This record gives sequence, C-alpha cells and structure tokens, in this order.
Amino acid sequence: SQTIHQWPATLVQPVGSPLSLECTVEGTSNPNLYWYRQAAGRGLQLLFYSVGIGQISSEVPQNLSASRPQDRQFILSSKKLLLSDSGFYLCAWSDGTAQGRNQPQHFGDGTRLSIL
Amino acid sequence: AQKITQTQPGMFVQEKEAVTLDCTYDTSDPSYGLFWYKQPSSGEMIFLIYQGSYDQQNATEGRYSLNFQKARKSANLVISASQLGDSAMYFCAMRAINTGGFKTIFGAGTRLFVKA
Repeated sequence: SQTIHQWPATLVQPVGSPLSLECTVEGTSNPNLYWYRQAAGRGLQLLFYSVGIGQISSEVPQNLSASRPQDRQFILSSKKLLLSDSGFYLCAWSDGTAQGRNQPQHFGDGTRLSIL
Repeated sequence: AQKITQTQPGMFVQEKEAVTLDCTYDTSDPSYGLFWYKQPSSGEMIFLIYQGSYDQQNATEGRYSLNFQKARKSANLVISASQLGDSAMYFCAMRAINTGGFKTIFGAGTRLFVKA
C-alpha cells in the first residue's frame, strides 16, 4: 500500500533563517506531488505541484521554492523565512497516470511551522 | 481561471440530523472533478467523496452524498444522521482535467459543529 511521510511535525524557526521540509511517498511510482499551506482556521493554498522529476509548477510568487530530486521525494525550501511564512504545511500525492486524474489526493500529517 | 467558493464559515447541526455544506465552483473546462475532504482538529485530511463532471448520478458514500447541480455549478455535501465525530473542517476541491492537469484547488472551508 502507498504511504506518505512528511517531517518534521513541528518546527520553530527565527525570521531570516533557512527552511527545508521533506516529503516522501512509498508504494507508488511517478506520483503527482503537491505542497499546500494552511493559515490557522483557513483553507489550503496551493504552493507548488509537480508531475515529474525536476518539473515544478509554482502557484504563488513568494520566498519559497520546491524541488523534486527523486521520483518520490518533494522538498520545500526557503533561504530566508518571513513572519508571514508561519502556517501548517501539507504535502500530498495523487496518482500520476491518466486514470489518476479522477483520483483524490492523499495527504501527509503536516508540519506546523512557527516563525519567531 | 478556476475558483472554488464555500460561503459558510461555520455551521451548527443537531446530532442525528442532516446538514448541507455549500460549494460552488467556476471553470471553463468541461471535464473536471470535485472532491470533498474532512479535516479534524488533528489536522489530517480525509477524503470523503468524489463527483466527476460527466457523472450522471450524484455520488454517495455511506452517510455522505453530493448534491451535484451542474447548471448552477454547485456541489453541496450532504451529511445524513450527523454524529459528534463529524465536527471538523470540511473542504471542497476541484481539479480541471483538460486545462488544469493535476492542479487541485481548495475552497476556504466550512467548520461544522455537531451539538449533542
């Protein structure tokens, strides 16, 4: 069966520090991968999605970046965090085949990021 | 452009009664999928139900059903016989197949409170 791992679960970082959040998927090949951010009590904002290695689509211009160095690995990074980067970050995957277009996403447990 | 709108920030329902959570969407793509997810206070995202734009019948999954009104571009979630464990955030999401690829966007969510 497929599983998604996201870490760390909680992170407290000072303003201006770098960030690296990692997400890995097991049990499937060539998944679509997504990063979302959720402000407290709000909806999910799509940050990045990827349909293959090295293919990243950015949805919101900001100081975050994403990379997909391996098929089932998705990394969210920042060189300098801002206070506004605080939030709940969720990684997700979906079936990357043509049939997967109608399939739901599967989410990791999320990372609660607090910027001080 | 794709858009998902959930106009009810919060809803209250009495235990064992039915409740409808509203969702409207906008897309010019004739092929799209609509998803509903539940997010308990723990933060995990739980897939509930899916409706394809070409599906002739409304989707149902146990106590969940989707009231799909294509002409009105609405996809309301109906929860029958509410239970205390249904208290959570509920998100509507859309994926436009032809124009959006695997990009999936979410609404702002509705927080449901089930009263004993």
